[in-house]
Amino acid sequence: QKEVEQNSGPLSVPEGAIASLNCTYSDRGSQSFFWYRQYSGKSPELIMFIYSNGDKEDGRFTAQLNKASQYVSLLIRDSQPSDSATYLCAVGAGTASKLTFGTGTRLQVTL
Amino acid sequence: EPEVTQTPSHQVTQMGQEVILRCVPISNHLYFYWYRQILGQKVEFLVSFYNNEISEKSEIFDDQFSVERPDGSNFTLKIRSTKLEDSAMYFCATPGTSGGAYQFFGPGTRLTVL
Repeated sequence: QKEVEQNSGPLSVPEGAIASLNCTYSDRGSQSFFWYRQYSGKSPELIMFIYSNGDKEDGRFTAQLNKASQYVSLLIRDSQPSDSATYLCAVGAGTASKLTFGTGTRLQVTL
Repeated sequence: EPEVTQTPSHQVTQMGQEVILRCVPISNHLYFYWYRQILGQKVEFLVSFYNNEISEKSEIFDDQFSVERPDGSNFTLKIRSTKLEDSAMYFCATPGTSGGAYQFFGPGTRLTVL
């Protein structure tokens, strides 16, 4: 059974701080890694994807991948109240493969 | 700009009834996926569809479920005889015209089975 594990939270950070979200996966054959943001009652919104070990930055978001440790993380710098949502980690086997999701981490950015 | 739209946004049905959920791509896409999310639970893969054929399906996707692309454009998920436990959000997803391993999700259909 291929699993993706996340801490359900809530993770509470003050406005302007760095939020750090973590995810581990069980399938060593995984090739593609994604972070989705999901607001309550809405569909998942893709915010980051990463395929290679290391860091990938896009604006306030940085995704980090360590395949040896089977670990993916998402850093959100200068957290804003609008970042308050559930962040879903998803893992795929490559192009056109299904995605396996974690249960998500609920982030709360406090004023 | 969403890659896909879904109709209806909310469907209420009686147990045992058939429902058809629709996914309408904005552009000409080849790959489609259906996922579901039971309230408070994780997003689960149901089925993938490529070039008018099922390419992979999960154990959830049993004989009660079917998918097709009846007119070469819309992509449908049919549940033949709904059960209470089919109540969930159903999402269509696609990589879009740019391809790639990532998937863009539609807005979803909330299915409520009474």
